[in-house]
Amino acid sequence: GAGVSQTPSNKVTEKGKYVELRCDPISGHTALYWYRQSLGQGPEFLIYFQGTGAADDSGLPNDRFFAVRPEGSVSTLKIQRTERGDSAVYLCASSLSTLAGIPGEQFFGPGTRLTVL
Amino acid sequence: AQKVTQAQTEISVVEKEDVTLDCVYETRDTTYYLFWYKQPPSGELVFLIRRNSFDEQNEISGRYSWNFQKSTSSFNFTITASQVVDSAVYFCALSEAYNYGQNFVFGPGTRLSVLP
Repeated sequence: GAGVSQTPSNKVTEKGKYVELRCDPISGHTALYWYRQSLGQGPEFLIYFQGTGAADDSGLPNDRFFAVRPEGSVSTLKIQRTERGDSAVYLCASSLSTLAGIPGEQFFGPGTRLTVL
Repeated sequence: AQKVTQAQTEISVVEKEDVTLDCVYETRDTTYYLFWYKQPPSGELVFLIRRNSFDEQNEISGRYSWNFQKSTSSFNFTITASQVVDSAVYFCALSEAYNYGQNFVFGPGTRLSVLP
């Protein structure tokens, strides 16, 4: 079946602009994660959704970052007033629901490379 | 706070050599989960293994094997008879159960180059 898809694959924007990054998880996966990966580093957790609700948004760096998942499927990561330091690859992953605290295998998308000029 | 250290930034081996990638973790939780992911040049992370803190048995899957030692907080990954297709960045990750598996912490990764 189809894997996790992310659009756009590349986004170039200017400092101060607003951007939206989209993630389409694997059908039936209720858990969805957003990560940010800078060059030469591991993914950095941003936010986790279980269904429609953000169960853990402790990784969002500041209030310029916001994410939604209104129908429990597609998710959008929104960044306001972008800064050059926001440049990174933004990764989305989905998994089957975590039962009794057991994290499921995460399936990652190809990422969106965001460049803020 | 949870932390994952992968001290080897880059490793180069010649095809057919065995190679071990080190992972050391820190956690205050007694129940946690450890993972290894592979990120090939194409970019998408691929799940390799999940291990819970109560299962210290070593695991083997084909040419891959994992050595989990709670006494040293290590979860090392060995590739036997490496192949060029094994070239990738490998990440070790930790998830603490108290947080219901919500927050994954990844290590910085080890870039493995397997030369023909």
